[in-house]
Amino acid sequence: EVQLVESGGGLVQPGGSLRLSCAASGFPFSTFIMNWVRQAPGKGLEWISYIRSDSTTIYYADSVKGRFTISRDNAKNLLYLQMNSLRAEDTAVYYCARGRVASSHYFDYWGQGSLVTVSS
Amino acid sequence: SYVLTQSPSVSVAPGQAARITCGGNNIGSKRVHWYQQKPGQAPVLVVHDDSDRPSGIPERVSGSKSGNTATLTISRVEAGDEADYYCQVWDSGSDHPGVFGGGTKVTVL
Repeated sequence: EVQLVESGGGLVQPGGSLRLSCAASGFPFSTFIMNWVRQAPGKGLEWISYIRSDSTTIYYADSVKGRFTISRDNAKNLLYLQMNSLRAEDTAVYYCARGRVASSHYFDYWGQGSLVTVSS
Repeated sequence: SYVLTQSPSVSVAPGQAARITCGGNNIGSKRVHWYQQKPGQAPVLVVHDDSDRPSGIPERVSGSKSGNTATLTISRVEAGDEADYYCQVWDSGSDHPGVFGGGTKVTVL
């Protein structure tokens, strides 16, 4: 059974940093693309980052580029999101999502999410 | 950057069909994927690549595309179908390729 479990969320002050982790199990993690998607309270889904299976290709949304860093440890089946210079508008539930590519890229499994609150 | 447009809400009586649309420039050249999200839960993939259903998704959920609009149709709507639905495309060639529509709230009357 595919499982994705996020951790590391919490309350942080504006300008602060936080690192999210996503523990993957039930599938060969090292062969899959992974993504981070977030959802602000009462708002829609926002894709924020992509990392290829071998980490050779990485993308970011403009809203987080230069502040957030995606990475992975295939030996430990872990996906990370390092978040720096956090702003109030970064407050959201952060989901890790497994990527699949058939004719296009989509997200076939999602974690339960980790809440990040940026507030003083 | 690429934009997907969804109507904010759709209301439908039980047993009827709900149609959720997703518009985008030249969407015919892209594959559209759909997700269902119930309150307090993570999104669930219900259709990928315009019209393919993952295992476990009932046949009354279907996807289609015509012109500049993709449509998710839920036939014979049940109370359990009440949720937010999001369309998504991957804008290959862009530096920020992941794109979601704004979401449509489906209310079962």
